[in-house]
Amino acid sequence: DIVMTQSPDSLSVSLGERATVSCKSSQSVLFTSNNKNYLAWYQQKSGQPPKLLIYWASTRESGVPDRFSGSGSETDFTLTVSSLQAEDVATYYCHQYYSSPPTFGQGTRLEI
Amino acid sequence: QVHMMQSGGGVVQPGRSLRLSCTASDFSLGVKSMEWVRQAPGKGLQWVATISSDGSRDYYADSVKGRFTISRDSSKNTLYLQMNNLRVEDTAVYYCARSDGGGQGYNDYWGQGTRVTVSS
Repeated sequence: DIVMTQSPDSLSVSLGERATVSCKSSQSVLFTSNNKNYLAWYQQKSGQPPKLLIYWASTRESGVPDRFSGSGSETDFTLTVSSLQAEDVATYYCHQYYSSPPTFGQGTRLEI
Repeated sequence: QVHMMQSGGGVVQPGRSLRLSCTASDFSLGVKSMEWVRQAPGKGLQWVATISSDGSRDYYADSVKGRFTISRDSSKNTLYLQMNNLRVEDTAVYYCARSDGGGQGYNDYWGQGTRVTVSS
């Protein structure tokens, strides 16, 4: 199984500042035949289901604010919130869908 | 707007069975793979099972293989998770989720979740 490790476990950032979450996979999730990284990011607010933010490592889901961006390739990925808003308080998860079983990172709690 | 309504959770004793349902609206289950993902209290997300878009293939986490069965009823546009021989460690909120970008892809739509508690 591919192990996904996020850092940090929790993060406190001031309003308007940048927040960065790291995700590392135990093996590459880059499919070379189509040059796509099989990596997604989700936001989960308390008591709610996860919400898809980013897929293919850097493609923003429709309706997601452009302050959210994803980057990285192969085994190292980053989710960046460029200017933190109060509504961004949540836990963020990375997810690899390169191989079965699909696996998630342990989550990063983002606070103000 | 895609919407998935879940039902069927509850409190059950170890060794008993439970069936979860997930009814989709505004899209056909036959178009995409569908999955169940669970979240134990205070914990992260764990993939449970996948059924392919044509319903011909299913995949399970090792922890539930042989006990859980994922299925769907196209006439009702409903996804199911039959859970047998439940264990205390199966206690979690269970989410149905649509999978895009491949057989087991990213999850673009999620149900609201249904809580399953296994306790004597």
